[in-house]
Amino acid sequence: GAVVSQHPSRVICKSGTSVKIECRSLDFQATTMFWYRQFPKQSLMLMATSNEGSKATYEQGVEKDKFLINHASLTLSTLTVTSAHPEDSSFYICSARSGLRLSSTDTQYFGPGTRLTVL
Amino acid sequence: TQLLEQSPQFLSIQEGENLTVYCNSSSVFSSLQWYRQEPGEGPVLLVTVVTGGEVKKLKRLTFQFGDARKDSSLHITAAQPGDTGLYLCAANTGKLIFGQGTTLQVKP
Repeated sequence: GAVVSQHPSRVICKSGTSVKIECRSLDFQATTMFWYRQFPKQSLMLMATSNEGSKATYEQGVEKDKFLINHASLTLSTLTVTSAHPEDSSFYICSARSGLRLSSTDTQYFGPGTRLTVL
Repeated sequence: TQLLEQSPQFLSIQEGENLTVYCNSSSVFSSLQWYRQEPGEGPVLLVTVVTGGEVKKLKRLTFQFGDARKDSSLHITAAQPGDTGLYLCAANTGKLIFGQGTTLQVKP
């Protein structure tokens, strides 16, 4: 199956700093990438959808100036958590799909996640 | 308001027992998916159900899509400790939206 990687897998940073997380589709071109966050023992919450070459679409309640998303190429999307605070500590997961239109059989391929801890 | 209501949210059972997880909604979907996630990893797709009334089997796991395509269930027969994990249903709405998840613990 298709492979999506994330880097780093874990990151610890000080409060007030910015952290960049990379999401790469390794063997296919991802027209659309998604960013999720997940708190312990909870489900995945969609943060934003990004299409290559255009601005990301953020879900309600997600601050676009705090969570900067860039999808500059068909294989790479980045999420930058700016001025991170302890409440931003979470598990961030990206996913990617190749088609522009989501059909009933389209598959999203998930990355392994990035554990962010803000001290 | 949660688009997909999953129940139960937590389940702890003994090895060998059977269990069913439910995923319900008031909306009609073209398809529903089930994922399994282990701690510290991304979710892994188990199955996609597309047709109303469809039943799919994956070894000891049986997935069913409701006739009206509003709900789905996951039944595990003779659960094993290796089945422990977070089970998530998800719906395509132009983007993939997840239910709250069911944390399953199977004790040996």
